[in-house]
Amino acid sequence: SQELEQSPQSLIVQEGKNLTINCTSSKTLYGLYWYKQKYGEGLIFLMMLQKGGEEKSHEKITAKLDEKKQQSSLHITASQPSHAGIYLCGATYTGTASKLTFGTGTRLQVTL
Amino acid sequence: DTEVTQTPKHLVMGMTNKKSLKCEQHMGHRAMYWYKQKAKKPPELMFVYSYEKLSINESVPSRFSPECPNSSLLNLHLHALQPEDSALYLCASSQLAGEWNEQYFGPGTRLTVT
Repeated sequence: SQELEQSPQSLIVQEGKNLTINCTSSKTLYGLYWYKQKYGEGLIFLMMLQKGGEEKSHEKITAKLDEKKQQSSLHITASQPSHAGIYLCGATYTGTASKLTFGTGTRLQVTL
Repeated sequence: DTEVTQTPKHLVMGMTNKKSLKCEQHMGHRAMYWYKQKAKKPPELMFVYSYEKLSINESVPSRFSPECPNSSLLNLHLHALQPEDSALYLCASSQLAGEWNEQYFGPGTRLTVT
């Protein structure tokens, strides 16, 4: 079974609309990371969340960590075509040190 | 500068060939990683180097042989690969190894084994 589940698997939104991607862990999180990947390319680091209730923003992207639910959400405000790509959450767990486990990914398309 | 570079960008090799993938970073990071990513799947960790020493090997077959010649360079030597090893190979680095350190990824090497 997958330790880190993302939803939805894919998303098509109209330019200018808001959207949310969720990432849920089946185990207690240590660190939670968000990355973006264009098809066939490397991963771009977006944000790292460490503590429950923590919220970080970068430009129009905001990520939150809910410690009770072991869940993180990534919210994009006023989406643009440049936001299109695959969003991956990654997690580290206590005792697994540097091992970054990735979620299943969410494919985002932004239409004009 | 958060750049990790990888060469080559694309590689096609036969099952009897020997080739190497290269990764370089100049951010002063002391941890470096190899990941394998199959199509439409998330990356999976293969190896972790911390201070130029191998610290994690995720039960990777011996036909993949990592090497960390110095703190800036990471190689992945390939020998007698199988067609199912075709994938995107990603290198990453972080300031230190550990649960809190964000990893920065290179653009990847697209490997095709014929």
